[in-house]
Amino acid sequence: AAGVIQSPRHLIKEKRETATLKCYPIPRHDTVYWYQQGPGQDPQFLISFYEKMQSDKGSIPDRFSAQQFSDYHSELNMSSLELGDSALYFCASSPPRGPGSYNEQFFGPGTRLTVL
Amino acid sequence: AQSVAQPEDQVNVAEGNPLTVKCTYSVSGNPYLFWYVQYPNRGLQFLLKYITGDNLVKGSYGFEAEFNKSQTSFHLKKPSALVSDSALYFCAVREVGTGRRALTFGSGTRLQVQP
Repeated sequence: AAGVIQSPRHLIKEKRETATLKCYPIPRHDTVYWYQQGPGQDPQFLISFYEKMQSDKGSIPDRFSAQQFSDYHSELNMSSLELGDSALYFCASSPPRGPGSYNEQFFGPGTRLTVL
Repeated sequence: AQSVAQPEDQVNVAEGNPLTVKCTYSVSGNPYLFWYVQYPNRGLQFLLKYITGDNLVKGSYGFEAEFNKSQTSFHLKKPSALVSDSALYFCAVREVGTGRRALTFGSGTRLQVQP
């Protein structure tokens, strides 16, 4: 079965650089979520999109932005990178809302971002 | 606000013995509850969920969890642990009816199964 695809899997950047992370949800899933997992920490919700519109916002820094495109893939843009941005960034997707759909989230393998 | 507590950083159990990983939650209304497992350098894999109905939920790989509303708990259990169950386990909650679909995770519990 198709899963959530994230690219790149690993990314190394220097302070003050920018980074773009990509997420391709499971086909026919209409909602994408971004989470950040720091070393030894639990995943923290950043932002989500439903039908290409931002649906919820968590602890996403102002330096970060994201969008969902017409093909439902999403990109997380990160600018002015800081050392503390080093983390595993997960994307998750969930199927359309409806009877029997309880918004179970399916996670991608993550992008490991290292900021030097 | 919703929150999840996993009181144990690590649980050690011998292979073949039953295991329990504890989780308690806090929401204003009714919860949707989930368990995920994370292997090293891997994403989060869904194990099971509680939505409504039977308090005992069965999931993947022989895991089950019991929803207890009065104790606001959703402990993960398995009758007989395997060495391959060693991983990081996260409990997560989402509150019903708020329109928010984002999950709030607990801090995770590392399960170590000894041969």
